Amino acid sequence: DQQVKQNSPSLSVQEGRISILNCDYTNSMFDYFLWYKKYPAEGPTFLISISSIKDKNEDGRFTVFLNKSAKHLSLHIVPSQPGDSAVYFCAASADRGKLIFGQGTELSVKP
Amino acid sequence: DAMVIQNPRYQVTQFGKPVTLSCSQTLNHNVMYWYQQKSSQAPKLLFHYYDKDFNNEADTPDNFQSRRPNTSFCFLDIRSPGLGDAAMYLCATSRATGGWGGTEAFFGQGTRLTVV
Repeated sequence: DQQVKQNSPSLSVQEGRISILNCDYTNSMFDYFLWYKKYPAEGPTFLISISSIKDKNEDGRFTVFLNKSAKHLSLHIVPSQPGDSAVYFCAASADRGKLIFGQGTELSVKP
Repeated sequence: DAMVIQNPRYQVTQFGKPVTLSCSQTLNHNVMYWYQQKSSQAPKLLFHYYDKDFNNEADTPDNFQSRRPNTSFCFLDIRSPGLGDAAMYLCATSRATGGWGGTEAFFGQGTRLTVV
């Protein structure tokens, strides 16, 4: 029973273009959503978050969109840079802040 | 400036031999988590401490135990490691107030456990 799903295991984009990473969830009790970035052999690093009372949050090149009716969120990176190449995890929380993660999407940004 | 520190980074243990992984934090966060991540899978929450209050996930095997002697330290004990317990173990912390939600977790670099 996977409550948070990232259906694309990998994504490849050209440098300078937009990267769009998607995430779906099933639990309507989730009230906070986060994106983490992970390099090999390191722990996940917090990137950006959004509360369920909002539908968009922007931080520099990163924007997260939340569509509650569709139980879908997405992370937009524009413009994409080679240093953005990493695994991106979507996470959600409802109960005492504990995070439920998706499987991750490996982003490759090619020069 | 390390905030969440896990030791060791790599641990090799024998099948059935107890092993302890450690985590320390300098953030003074009241919540500490242990996650297990296997290759190409989502990190899976094993348990977490809200202050001294221990919260076990329903599907966490009894083979996994945890201790939190003080705010800064948390340990993961695997009593009898099996081959299936080989994974990356991630410690995380967060600051939670009375109304939960809306807090991000900060992760350590993880401990890669190999069982031979």
